[in-house]
Amino acid sequence: AQSVAQPEDQVKVAEGNPLTVKCTYSVSGNPYLFWYVQYPNRGLQFLLKYITGDNLVKGSYGFEAEFNKSQTSFHLKKPSALVSDSALYFCAVRPYQAGTALIFGKGTTLSVSS
Amino acid sequence: GAVVSQHPSRVICKSGTSVKIECRSLDFQATTMFWYRQFPKQSLMLMATSNEGSKATYEQGVEKDKFLINHASLTLSTLTVTSAHPEDSSFYICSARAEGLDTGELFFGEGSRLTVL
Repeated sequence: AQSVAQPEDQVKVAEGNPLTVKCTYSVSGNPYLFWYVQYPNRGLQFLLKYITGDNLVKGSYGFEAEFNKSQTSFHLKKPSALVSDSALYFCAVRPYQAGTALIFGKGTTLSVSS
Repeated sequence: GAVVSQHPSRVICKSGTSVKIECRSLDFQATTMFWYRQFPKQSLMLMATSNEGSKATYEQGVEKDKFLINHASLTLSTLTVTSAHPEDSSFYICSARAEGLDTGELFFGEGSRLTVL
């Protein structure tokens, strides 16, 4: 079965500190991997994706993620957190078949304190 | 980026009534749209895949007679919750993938908060 795991329900960091939100995946074939952010009562905003190429992917708002095939991970990172980064973050995977929907992890709430 | 508009953003209805939620791709065509449901503090559950000009494909456990999906054009899909009950109260989010731009990501609407009294 194809799935995405976000092992942490919540991540807390202080403003200015680096942050990491973890994600591991299980899919057959080469995956497309994504990170989205959701603010309260809003839809999802696309942050970044990995399809192929460099393992380190840079995205919106200073976020980046590192694809690690051997560990089947795609952790989201940011060198210096902002209070405004506080939100719900979803990792997602798209199976290699074209036209298919994304499979989402359960989400991780990021809380950045000032 | 591609914009998906969802309407209404909030709706309150009485038990037994039907509610229609619209999902429009504003600046691109979408042969396929996806409807998700999100429970409080939970992840997104795929309900169905909406295909333009054909019947929607429902995920296991989703009642197709209760959640009617129509995808009449390349820019509009609608979800109708029929004979709504309080347990249907939820946050419904639509998404679409831009045709000819199959780089994988989905573009999401802002969601519709349904409250059934």
